[in-house]
Amino acid sequence: RKEVEQDPGPFNVPEGATVAFNCTYSNSASQSFFWYRQDCRKEPKLLMSVYSSGNEDGRFTAQLNRASQYISLLIRDSKLSDSATYLCVVNSGGYQKVTFGIGTKLQVIP
Amino acid sequence: EAGVTQFPSHSVIEKGQTVTLRCDPISGHDNLYWYRRVMGKEIKFLLHFVKESKQDESGMPNNRFLAERTGGTYSTLKVQPAELEDSGVYFCASSQAPGLPQYFGPGTRLTVL
Repeated sequence: RKEVEQDPGPFNVPEGATVAFNCTYSNSASQSFFWYRQDCRKEPKLLMSVYSSGNEDGRFTAQLNRASQYISLLIRDSKLSDSATYLCVVNSGGYQKVTFGIGTKLQVIP
Repeated sequence: EAGVTQFPSHSVIEKGQTVTLRCDPISGHDNLYWYRRVMGKEIKFLLHFVKESKQDESGMPNNRFLAERTGGTYSTLKVQPAELEDSGVYFCASSQAPGLPQYFGPGTRLTVL
């Protein structure tokens, strides 16, 4: 089993739709969680950190479920510019290395 | 504030040659990380510097890879001799502290022929 698992997609959704991605992690000691966005042939860019209480940034909402060991990302009112690969990143804390998921590809269609 | 920079952006070399990649982290970030993405696979951790010290190099594939961060500023990653399977995109990232978000450079796309 992979340490961090994501559905690679692709998720093809129409503009204006709401889409949600999940990411599961295997290390129950994990402490920090992030969603990154990666455009084709570009570097990952931090989208948002994910905290225990969940957090929202505009159209984006991230949630953490420690009991079930997953994090989620919800995108409301999808825009064409949201098309990208969304990477789930888990840090086991302190000086532990960061583990990436394979990424979920989102394609927003006009 | 300048972001993480990497040089070169692309490198095409032949098997057996040597290549050195450079990373300049965000100023003031003591933590510097190297990652590699092979096509179709996840981004994989290579190693982590705290200032000039290697905190964790468990992800380094083998002894053909050598990373340095003399003076605790920029870092280099040397591959010698390069093999075909070393091809991929090498990303560098930096952060203020472990556990905090990491900021990535644009990557170096290495192709070994």
